[in-house]
Amino acid sequence: SYELTQPPSVSVSPGQTARITCSADALPKPYAYWYQQKPGQAPVLVIYKDSERPSGIPERFSGSSSGTTVTLTISGVQAEDEADYYCQSADSSGTYRVFGGGTKLTVL
Amino acid sequence: QVHLQQWGAGLLKPSETLSLTCAVYGGSFSGYYWSWIRQSPGKGLEWIGEINHSGSTNYNPSLKSRVTISVDTSKNQFSLKLSSVTAADTAVYYCASATVSLYYGMDVWGQGTTVTVSS
Repeated sequence: SYELTQPPSVSVSPGQTARITCSADALPKPYAYWYQQKPGQAPVLVIYKDSERPSGIPERFSGSSSGTTVTLTISGVQAEDEADYYCQSADSSGTYRVFGGGTKLTVL
Repeated sequence: QVHLQQWGAGLLKPSETLSLTCAVYGGSFSGYYWSWIRQSPGKGLEWIGEINHSGSTNYNPSLKSRVTISVDTSKNQFSLKLSSVTAADTAVYYCASATVSLYYGMDVWGQGTTVTVSS
């Protein structure tokens, strides 16, 4: 089965840069997406197509891709960015979606 | 802007069939994939499956034998059925839409329905 691996947790101080990685277990790697989820709320799409930002998402959120790894970068982290972040992609044939295990971002 | 409203039974007994429906408001039914995702208590997101307006489906291989997703374009609704539920199916279930304009990123989500399986 296709798997995406994320670190369980990342901690940063306000104003610093947070980087959350997501590694796929095989190539080719379809597009990746990132979702932010705060407690008790539905997820919110923050990055699509590896590095594109939907309307309304702050510019401090960015995405990048290299080989089998995609990275979500949050520049100038704010307290409100504390949340769980999930990467999502699809298997190489594009027939089913897969989520990473999620990363809890703590703003110190 | 699409808005999703979901509903369904929140308490089931083992072996029963989970049934949830998601209504789509404010947008065309075509040009999207309509997904179901769940989240067990304290756990991560698990994609269940999806359907498009013409009824083409994709399912999570681990759930495929028990899942049916259907669409009713006349009502702008899509539905999830999960058979033979067990306690492991206890979760918050979300419906979501994935639009072609965002390369099928899931940008609109329902409010979530808590489903508990208990005897």
